[in-house]
Amino acid sequence: NAGVTQTPKFQVLKTGQSMTLQCAQDMNHNSMYWYRQDPGMGLRLIYYSASEGTTDKGEVPNGYNVSRLNKREFSLRLESAAPSQTSVYFCASSALRGIRANYGYTFGSGTRLTVV
Amino acid sequence: GDSVTQMEGPVTLSEEAFLTINCTYTATGYPSLFWYVQYPGEGLQLLLKATKADDKGSNKGFEATYRKETTSFHLEKGSVQVSDSAVYFCALENSGGSNYKLTFGKGTLLTVNP
Repeated sequence: NAGVTQTPKFQVLKTGQSMTLQCAQDMNHNSMYWYRQDPGMGLRLIYYSASEGTTDKGEVPNGYNVSRLNKREFSLRLESAAPSQTSVYFCASSALRGIRANYGYTFGSGTRLTVV
Repeated sequence: GDSVTQMEGPVTLSEEAFLTINCTYTATGYPSLFWYVQYPGEGLQLLLKATKADDKGSNKGFEATYRKETTSFHLEKGSVQVSDSAVYFCALENSGGSNYKLTFGKGTLLTVNP
């Protein structure tokens, strides 16, 4: 049981390059999320998808786009990377849609992105 | 909007010491409260949770009680081990329209020395 799988684990980009971070879950969860983690800032929500076919902005969506490809996969795209997007990115999923996720979220192990 | 405030770290303790990490929150309605733990190089793992006032969450010797009157959810452990060294995040879950999202505190780094 893999849980939430993120790829790649590490990436270095030049300013202006684009890339897509991949996330897949095998728990049949409805909701999926993308967070970024920065020192002293905790985790901040970028985008989320409450169910297949829907996506919504979180706290810090600027510079990012997302695609909920199917129930399993939720990708995060940086169209033109900037140094301010250097961060650790976490994907998460939860079982219930529109109802409190009393089981909490399941997180992937993260993607460490550096933009130079 | 919703917010979570944790005590600032880092916290350094000796093995078998008592641990308290303070967490207070601001939220409308009746949020659920969580503690997550992040070990070095890993993602976050759910440590414990409480879904209503006066609930006590517990796991692996850690405890936290949902105190609505003081809007707090402090994490405690009676005797820490070196293996407890990690970053601890307090979080709340509240509704945003028809969707529920987690709001995290900034995290507290705990180091336990032998």
